[in-house]
Amino acid sequence: GDSVTQMEGPVTLSEEAFLTINCTYTATGYPSLFWYVQYPGEGLQLLLKATKADDKGSNKGFEATYRKETTSFHLEKGSVQVSDSAVYFCALVSGSARQLTFGSGTQLTVLP
Amino acid sequence: DGGITQSPKYLFRKEGQNVTLSCEQNLNHDAMYWYRQDPGQGLRLIYYSQIVNDFQKGDIAEGYSVSREKKESFPLTVTSAQKNPTAFYLCASSEGDRGRNQPQHFGDGTRLSIL
Repeated sequence: GDSVTQMEGPVTLSEEAFLTINCTYTATGYPSLFWYVQYPGEGLQLLLKATKADDKGSNKGFEATYRKETTSFHLEKGSVQVSDSAVYFCALVSGSARQLTFGSGTQLTVLP
Repeated sequence: DGGITQSPKYLFRKEGQNVTLSCEQNLNHDAMYWYRQDPGQGLRLIYYSQIVNDFQKGDIAEGYSVSREKKESFPLTVTSAQKNPTAFYLCASSEGDRGRNQPQHFGDGTRLSIL
C-alpha cells in the first residue's frame, strides 16, 4: 500500500535559519503530493502541492519539488520565522485509493 | 466564505455514553472524511464517504459510526464500544472523483475527553 516517511522531529531552529524537512513516499501510479501545516489546537491547512513529476509547489516562502526518481518531496524554506512554528505533515493521494496517506508529522520550533 | 465547520470545539464524554461530533461543509464537495489524531502522532482515517448515502470504513473504524444523509453533513458518533476515545478529531472534505488527486480541506477539529 501507499506510505509516507517523514523526518522525525522535533526540529528546533533559530530565526532566519534554513529549513529542510525530508519526505519520501511509496505509491502505485502517479500520486499527487502535499504539505500540510497544523498550528497548535487547530486543524490542518494546505501549505503547498505538486501533482506531477518535477512540479515545484510553493507558498509563503516554502517550496517542495516532486522528485519521481528519488520518490521525495522535501520541504524547504530559506529563512524561517517564529510564526512558522507548527507541525508539518507530508501527504499523498493516489488515483486508485482516493484517500490521503499522511506521514507522522514533524514538529518545528523556531526560536527568536 | 466556504469552509468546513466542526462543532463543538471541546467535548466531554462520560463512561458508557455515546457522543456525536458534527461536521458541515459548504464547499459543495462530494467526499468527506473523519480522522483521529493522538498526541505526537499523525492522522488515522476512521470513516470516509465519497457520495451521499454511502460510506466506507477506514483504518480504525471500530467503536465509531457515521451517516451521510446530506451532501454537506457527515456526523461522527463515538460509541461506548470505543474504549480509548480521548483524541483530537478532524473532519475533511474534497471534490472526490470529480477532482482526482485534489487536496482535502480540514475543519478546526473537536477535542474529545473522558470525564
